[in-house]
Amino acid sequence: GENVEQHPSTLSVQEGDSAVIKCTYSDSASNYFPWYKQELGKGPQLIIDIRSNVGEKKDQRIAVTLNKTAKHFSLHITETQPEDSAVYFCAASPGSNYQLIWGAGTKLIIKP
Amino acid sequence: DTGVSQNPRHKITKRGQNVTFRCDPISEHNRLYWYRQTLGQGPEFLTYFQNEAQLEKSRLLSDRFSAERPKGSFSTLEIQRTEQGDSAMYLCASSLEIGDQPQHFGDGTRLSIL
Repeated sequence: GENVEQHPSTLSVQEGDSAVIKCTYSDSASNYFPWYKQELGKGPQLIIDIRSNVGEKKDQRIAVTLNKTAKHFSLHITETQPEDSAVYFCAASPGSNYQLIWGAGTKLIIKP
Repeated sequence: DTGVSQNPRHKITKRGQNVTFRCDPISEHNRLYWYRQTLGQGPEFLTYFQNEAQLEKSRLLSDRFSAERPKGSFSTLEIQRTEQGDSAMYLCASSLEIGDQPQHFGDGTRLSIL
């Protein structure tokens, strides 16, 4: 079955700098890749997603890139702000009843 | 608020007791999912409904777990004879029906087994 690996587990960056989180997946049939942000005590919140027919997608300070050949995708956050501090999860959908297979999460810390 | 709603937010119970959680999805969403999340981990898929039909169940969903969505709207997840290992956050998500659609999550029910 599908397996998603996420790195790093913790990322500390200076406010205003960029942050990059990387994920790899194993099932070449996966075709939908969302990213979620989870704050303490809350459910995951979708921040951006990408489908397999697209290589890159951008939404203001957030961008996602997908390399289907290498089976990896990355989240890029530019001009980081204190409110970006949270745990970020990548996920992949192998297409079987649309369940999501999740990475283990990255704790992003924005230093003032 | 028109997001996914879950109740209760917290549940503390003794080992061996039964518990039931409720999820109210976004009103126009036909798909409903249950996930379980333990501390420091990503969510794990438990089960999935399309309207009132339960279409898939994970191996994680032992026979002590049962989920229903009787009228294709709200859903309940029941755990019978709770065990220590059931302590986790139980998350519900919903989505539109066609193809891969973004799943929108509630804030979960945190279950603690004493």
